[in-house]
Amino acid sequence: KQEVTQIPAALSVPEGENLVLNCSFTDSAIYNLQWFRQDPGKGLTSLLLIQSSQREQTSGRLNASLDKSSGRSTLYIAASQPGDSATYLCAPGGASGGSYIPTFGRGTSLIVHP
Amino acid sequence: GAGVSQSPRYKVAKRGQDVALRCDPISGHVSLFWYQQALGQGPEFLTYFQNEAQLDKSGLPSDRFFAERPEGSVSTLKIQRTQQEDSAVYLCASSSGLAGPYEQYFGPGTRLTVT
Repeated sequence: KQEVTQIPAALSVPEGENLVLNCSFTDSAIYNLQWFRQDPGKGLTSLLLIQSSQREQTSGRLNASLDKSSGRSTLYIAASQPGDSATYLCAPGGASGGSYIPTFGRGTSLIVHP
Repeated sequence: GAGVSQSPRYKVAKRGQDVALRCDPISGHVSLFWYQQALGQGPEFLTYFQNEAQLDKSGLPSDRFFAERPEGSVSTLKIQRTQQEDSAVYLCASSSGLAGPYEQYFGPGTRLTVT
């Protein structure tokens, strides 16, 4: 069974810092890996998706890398802003019944203060 | 519609009552997923549909949980004889088709509280 660990569990930083959020997973037989953001009381918003054949994806101030063989992914947030405050979830996707089912970590709770 | 919608957004049920939670996926999306998210945890997979076929229900915690998608669009998650441990946010997600990259789009969730 896939196990996903996210470190740190919580992070509080001043605005402007560059951040690194870490994700590790036990089963490297994945098809893809998604990073999501979740605001309090809300659903999940997809930030980046990396296919297993890719090494990284970038969107604006976000960059996600994937090292499938070692079971690691990193989300890098540049020049953090208070609006980045949320919980960030990592979800590697494994095969099931013709699709790929993500397994989620518990997330990293981020607070960016002005 | 523009995104995945779920109703109701909040549901309070007395222990022993049956509840039904609805999910409207993004129009044309073939795959639909249900997850359960307890407070402070990541979402846990419950079940998955491809069109009207339920291809994986390995995450359903007991036979009190039942999901259907009869016409391959809207889905309903039903919980019979609710228990306090069923209190959680139930999330629905959809994905476009039978080919990659299988990106999932989530609805806002239904928060179920069993008293």
